[in-house]
Formats: sequence, structure tokens, C-alpha cells
Amino acid sequence: AQSVTQLDSQVPVFEEAPVELRCNYSSSVSVYLFWYVQYPNQGLQLLLKYLSGSTLVKGINGFEAEFNKSQTSFHLRKPSVHISDTAEYFCAVSEGNTGFQKLVFGTGTRLLVSP
Amino acid sequence: KAGVTQTPRYLIKTRGQQVTLSCSPISGHRSVSWYQQTPGQGLQFLFEYFSETQRNKGNFPGRFSGRQFSNSRSEMNVSTLELGDSALYLCASSTQGIWTDTQYFGPGTRLTVL
Repeated sequence: AQSVTQLDSQVPVFEEAPVELRCNYSSSVSVYLFWYVQYPNQGLQLLLKYLSGSTLVKGINGFEAEFNKSQTSFHLRKPSVHISDTAEYFCAVSEGNTGFQKLVFGTGTRLLVSP
Repeated sequence: KAGVTQTPRYLIKTRGQQVTLSCSPISGHRSVSWYQQTPGQGLQFLFEYFSETQRNKGNFPGRFSGRQFSNSRSEMNVSTLELGDSALYLCASSTQGIWTDTQYFGPGTRLTVL
């Protein structure tokens, strides 16, 4: 069965500093990988996704992620964060060849950006 | 283009009651998925409907059910409510599904069971 581990429940960082949010997945088949962001009292918004092709995926708001099959990881990075990036970030996986288009989410990482 | 709308936004029920939540997808979207978000269990997939048919289902008891209408609007029903059903219920829509296009989420319905 597929699963997602987000190693850090909370990541504090200063404004304009780089950040990396870690995500590891477990699956016996090919996977599709996603990062979503949730701002307070709002639904989720897709940041980026990996389906196939280049392992470096660029998303919205300056975020990018790299798919590493050997390490089963899909870490999210941003070179310089803003106060407005303060939010909860969720990594998710969907198994690619089962026909089941459902997402399995990690427990989330709260990014706290301070001035 | 209007986003995904969910009604009501907040709901308070008592144990044993039933509840129906509504989701109106973005115009032209045929896939609607439902998720439950709780502090303890996180985000969990409930089910997905595509063109009025349930295409995928998560691991929830039969008290949780849903349906989709011909206009793609979807409803989710929970019968015999339990305290543990208190959660934020999120609806998301996409044109065909999460593999082919972007899934857009609504703001959620916060259900409190007393």
C-alpha cells in the first residue's frame, strides 16, 4: 500500500531564506506525486505535480520539487521565502497504474516564515 | 470562472443525526472528489465521482455515501453521526481526474458533531 511521510511537522524559517520541505513515499508501483498548500481557513491549492519526464518540476509561487526514484523522495524547495508563504504544505501520492485516481496525503508540514 | 463552492460552510449536528453536504464544481468539470480532514487522521480520501458514477472509494464505513448529479454537482451524506465525524470536509473538482489536469479544492464544510 502506498504511504507518504513528511518528516517535519513544522519548519520555521526567516524571510528571504531558502527552505526545503521533505517528503518520502512508499509504493510498489509507479507513482504520481503532488504538493499542495493550504492557507488558514481555505481549501488546498496545487503547487506542482510530477507525472513523468523531467525529475525537476517547477510550480507556482517560485516553488520547485525534485523526484528521486532511488531515494523515493519528492522534496519541495524554494530559494527565497516570503511571509506570505506561511501555510501548511501537503505532499501526496497517487499510484499510477492501478486505475484508482485517489490521493494519499502526508500529515503536512507547517511552514512558519518570520521577518 | 467561479471556483468550487461548498455549502454549508459550517454545520453543527448531534450524534445519531444525519447530514448532507453539497459541492458545486467548476463549470465543465466532471470529476468530483471528497476528502475528510481531521487533526488526528489528516487528509483522507472518501470517494470520487465522474459523470455520475463512483469511480474510486476510500476506506470509510458505509455510513458515508455520495452521489453526483447530471450537472456534476455532488452531495455527500453521513448517516448516524459519531463524534469522530467532526472534521473539515473538502470537495475538489477537475475536468477528467487528477492525473490529467489540475484538481481545484473548495473551502470546505466544517462539521461539528456534539
